Amino acid sequence: QQPVQSPQAVILREGEDAVINCSSSKALYSVHWYRQKHGEAPVFLMILLKGGEQKGHDKISASFNEKKQQSSLYLTASQLSYSGTYFCGTVGLSGTYKYIFGTGTRLKVLA
Amino acid sequence: DAGVIQSPRHEVTEMGQEVTLRCKPISGHDYLFWYRQTMMRGLELLIYFNNNVPIDDSGMPEDRFSAKMPNASFSTLKIQPSEPRDSAVYFCASSLPLEIEQFFGPGTRLTVL
Repeated sequence: QQPVQSPQAVILREGEDAVINCSSSKALYSVHWYRQKHGEAPVFLMILLKGGEQKGHDKISASFNEKKQQSSLYLTASQLSYSGTYFCGTVGLSGTYKYIFGTGTRLKVLA
Repeated sequence: DAGVIQSPRHEVTEMGQEVTLRCKPISGHDYLFWYRQTMMRGLELLIYFNNNVPIDDSGMPEDRFSAKMPNASFSTLKIQPSEPRDSAVYFCASSLPLEIEQFFGPGTRLTVL
């Protein structure tokens, strides 16, 4: 039931772009994205609600394809500060509010 | 605001001992969540409260785990008796309405010997 993220890990040079995918086996109501730096707590990036919207701020954006039960996080012109582990968190359409985090993607940006 | 406060930040205990983790959510937040993070299982939702009432505790691993929220500004997660496999980082998070961002506390790193 845990959403699967891909890739598991990625290494970039500053200025390069990356895409992180999150796939669920269940119909989704919403997808949340968080970034966690080593030894720290997860920090919220954005929420996408059912409706296939796309959001973004600065050079980080995301899309939500509810038909495919997938979300993608786009990082453009990556900066050193983007390094960390990215998690998607999903809420299903049915049942109680069941918040499930994905498997995580480790991203490292090199100078 | 000081953010979500958790205590202790680190806890080392021996198998069989009782462990109590504490959390103070952000003032005015209606929702409180307890998570556990391990390398093997990632981030798992254990339980969450709305207005001090437990809504979903299906993530609580077994009867050794219990959580309470006696008032809007305090919650505890208790493990009794503790086992080595309970070693993990435990996060508390709070939020306003559900579909708003969750603010995580710094976490409690628990080691059970």
